[in-house]
Amino acid sequence: AQTVTQSQPEMSVQEAETVTLSCTYDTSENNYYLFWYKQPPSRQMILVIRQEAYKQQNATENRFSVNFQKAAKSFSLKISDSQLGDTAMYFCAFMKQGDGGATNKLIFGTGTLLAVQP
Amino acid sequence: NAGVTQTPKFQVLKTGQSMTLQCAQDMNHEYMSWYRQDPGMGLRLIHYSVGAGITDQGEVPNGYNVSRSTTEDFPLRLLSAAPSQTSVYFCASSYSIVDGTQYFGPGTRLLVL
Repeated sequence: AQTVTQSQPEMSVQEAETVTLSCTYDTSENNYYLFWYKQPPSRQMILVIRQEAYKQQNATENRFSVNFQKAAKSFSLKISDSQLGDTAMYFCAFMKQGDGGATNKLIFGTGTLLAVQP
Repeated sequence: NAGVTQTPKFQVLKTGQSMTLQCAQDMNHEYMSWYRQDPGMGLRLIHYSVGAGITDQGEVPNGYNVSRSTTEDFPLRLLSAAPSQTSVYFCASSYSIVDGTQYFGPGTRLLVL
């Protein structure tokens, strides 16, 4: 069975600074997807970034980037130039890839609550 | 497009009552799922569907039933509510088997007394 671990329950960063959120996972699969989701106080789940395991290049989306270390089973999220609107719970998630492609079954970590301070 | 919609937003039930949480999407997505979110535990998969007429169990299916008679709708039924089912419930849908990106509804907060 796959597991996802986020070891930082809470983090704080000053506005305009950079912060890195950690995520490790355990799997025997070779093909899978990794995701970071953001959940602001509104409770809406918002996809931040996605990484395919077969891709060596780290995914980036504007101020958000990941450091994907497949051998170490590590998938950290870096947020650059932090903004007040980045304050949210951040979830790391794993999805196994089946024979037909994505299985669409997400396994989530327990989340990291990020507070951006003015 | 309205995306993924869920009703109600909030519901209070008494132990033993039954109810249906509604989920609908207008994006013609084949894949739909139900997750529950509990404090300190992240989201966990309850049931999922890969298309109309096809459903399967997720990680925590006990106490819940689902059906998928149309592509658009995927209701979640609580047969006999228990306090342990107090949670926030999210419905999600996905079109692609290529990248697995899921789109989430706004959630339903359920309190079972």
